[in-house]
Amino acid sequence: DTAVSQTPKYLVTQMGNDKSIKCEQNLGHDTMYWYKQDSKKFLKIMFSYNNKELIINETVPNRFSPKSPDKAHLNLHINSLELGDSAVYFCASSRRTGANEQFFGPGTRLTVL
Amino acid sequence: DAKTTQPNSMESNEEEPVHLPCNHSTISGTDYIHWYRQLPSQGPEYVIHGLTSNVNNRMASLAIAEDRKSSTLILHRATLRDAAVYYCILRDVGGSSNTGKLIFGQGTTLQVKP
Repeated sequence: DTAVSQTPKYLVTQMGNDKSIKCEQNLGHDTMYWYKQDSKKFLKIMFSYNNKELIINETVPNRFSPKSPDKAHLNLHINSLELGDSAVYFCASSRRTGANEQFFGPGTRLTVL
Repeated sequence: DAKTTQPNSMESNEEEPVHLPCNHSTISGTDYIHWYRQLPSQGPEYVIHGLTSNVNNRMASLAIAEDRKSSTLILHRATLRDAAVYYCILRDVGGSSNTGKLIFGQGTTLQVKP
């Protein structure tokens, strides 16, 4: 039973395209997050949602738009993809905002050509 | 946000204890100390957290200095599966700051030799 799952695992696309990454958690958690890990392996938070409400919105280009249809899902849509968007994107969830333990998904490796 | 300093890399032999240090001299009273690790090609994984007292769980122990300006993650018997990047993170849980935001540094890459 996968706790936090992401699809797809790999995504290769051309510059200028629009793509989405999906995340689902079956833990019954209220809060979900998106993190980006760049080529230098630095992990940086992008967004978090609590019960479908936006809590954290870091300085991220507005080409990135998170969407939470329900509290078990947090999808990430990226418009007009750029080379610099190539990275591994991790989804995570926690029982509530500020809970001590976050559970991370396996990551989606996005490559923009 | 208070910062942490960790060695870039450490080596250990299998089945020996490992002590991973972390300095956080600017820690505030509402900062919890969290440790996560990231195994190769996987997402980060929670290890342990603490505020003032030493903590133990099935994965590791966390020793926190009395002045809280440093801490040490202790793996009691390293296995090959413990080879990972270990992140020491301060998380502010005070009031409106408690958003759950984790700020990852560069971490310590632990190599475990058979």
